[in-house]
Amino acid sequence: ETGVTQSPTHLIKTRGQQVTLRCSSQSGHNTVSWYQQALGQGPQFIFQYYREEENGRGNFPPRFSGLQFPNYSSELNVNALELDDSALYLCASSLNSNEQFFGPGTRLTVL
Amino acid sequence: GIQVEQSPPDLILQEGANSTLRCNFSDSVNNLQWFHQNPWGQLINLFYIPSGTKQNGRLSATTVATERYSLLYISSSQTTDSGVYFCSVPRGAGSYQLTFGKGTKLSVIP
Repeated sequence: ETGVTQSPTHLIKTRGQQVTLRCSSQSGHNTVSWYQQALGQGPQFIFQYYREEENGRGNFPPRFSGLQFPNYSSELNVNALELDDSALYLCASSLNSNEQFFGPGTRLTVL
Repeated sequence: GIQVEQSPPDLILQEGANSTLRCNFSDSVNNLQWFHQNPWGQLINLFYIPSGTKQNGRLSATTVATERYSLLYISSSQTTDSGVYFCSVPRGAGSYQLTFGKGTKLSVIP
């Protein structure tokens, strides 16, 4: 059974740029959730996708957007990057939104 | 939304010691997860425990849903137990979106 994978591992961008982060869900899972974790804090919910539809959104601006594909993998897109977007971005997959399993994360640095 | 408080925020243990981490939440929940975040940032699932008690090796967890708290017990701690332990619950009734506490940072020294 393959676990949740994320790419890239690390990323450095400058203010104003756009970034796309990718997540492959665990085999058999149909739900993907994205979280942002700032240094020293707990993860904050960004949004969730269930069967290719957005299924809830946290307190993040519209420049954070996402997609889920038919194979249940997902992308997180962030436009007009700001310095405060520097964080660890975590993807979690689950079956029907039950117990969630996390990937290793993508560490984004915005300069 | 629901509030999650974890205590203590920091804990330093000698190898071999036991510890109890606490998670309080402000509303009734239908699930609760404990995670261990390793130094590389990976969140490792420890327990999915909406109620009752579960054990996995040196770790065990108890959730008393009616009193809105959960406890994580670590016995005979090892240096590899070091890291941050998070408790998470759904954001609200019927929600599958997790709200996390601020975590307990555990350091186990040899």
